[in-house]
Amino acid sequence: NAGVTQTPKFQVLKTGQSMTLQCAQDMNHNSMYWYRQDPGMGLRLIYYSASEGTTDKGEVPNGYNVSRLNKREFSLRLESAAPSQTSVYFCASSAYRGGSYEQYFGPGTRLTVT
Amino acid sequence: AQSVTQLGSHVSVSEGALVLLRCNYSSSVPPYLFWYVQYPNQGLQLLLKYTSAATLVKGINGFEAEFKKSETSFHLTKPSAHMSDAAEYFCAVSGGTSYDKVIFGPGTSLSVIP
Repeated sequence: NAGVTQTPKFQVLKTGQSMTLQCAQDMNHNSMYWYRQDPGMGLRLIYYSASEGTTDKGEVPNGYNVSRLNKREFSLRLESAAPSQTSVYFCASSAYRGGSYEQYFGPGTRLTVT
Repeated sequence: AQSVTQLGSHVSVSEGALVLLRCNYSSSVPPYLFWYVQYPNQGLQLLLKYTSAATLVKGINGFEAEFKKSETSFHLTKPSAHMSDAAEYFCAVSGGTSYDKVIFGPGTSLSVIP
């Protein structure tokens, strides 16, 4: 059971380049999330998917697109990277357990945009 | 709208001393409250959660938290700090229309001094 996996672990992009961050979970969870983590700001939700085929914007969606390819996979795309998108990106999935939804996180992708 | 504040972005304690990390929340509905821990270069993992079953909640690694509705607080404590407790700690809240979405606080970095 790998849990939540993310690729790549590290990435450096030039301004204007595009890339896709991949995320997969093997826990059969319906809900999946993309967050960005910046110093002093905690985790901020970029996009959210409650189930296969549905996605919703979170707190900071500008500059990003997502695809919920199937129940397992949820990808995040940067169409034209900007230095403000330098951050650590976390994917998560959640399950209802013990009276509430619990989130399970991947190891993160460290992205630098120069 | 829900929000979380964490008093103190950095907390230092001596090994063996009491750990107290503060969290206050704002919510118009009965909240679910969480503490997550993030070790260096890793994703977040759930430490403990409050779901209205009991106001004093025990989690992993000897941590516990008490829900105080009158103070809108959910402070995290551990009687005796260990070197391995050095990490970033995030308080989080969910509730309202989307109980599977979580709002994270800015985080508190805990250092343990030998």
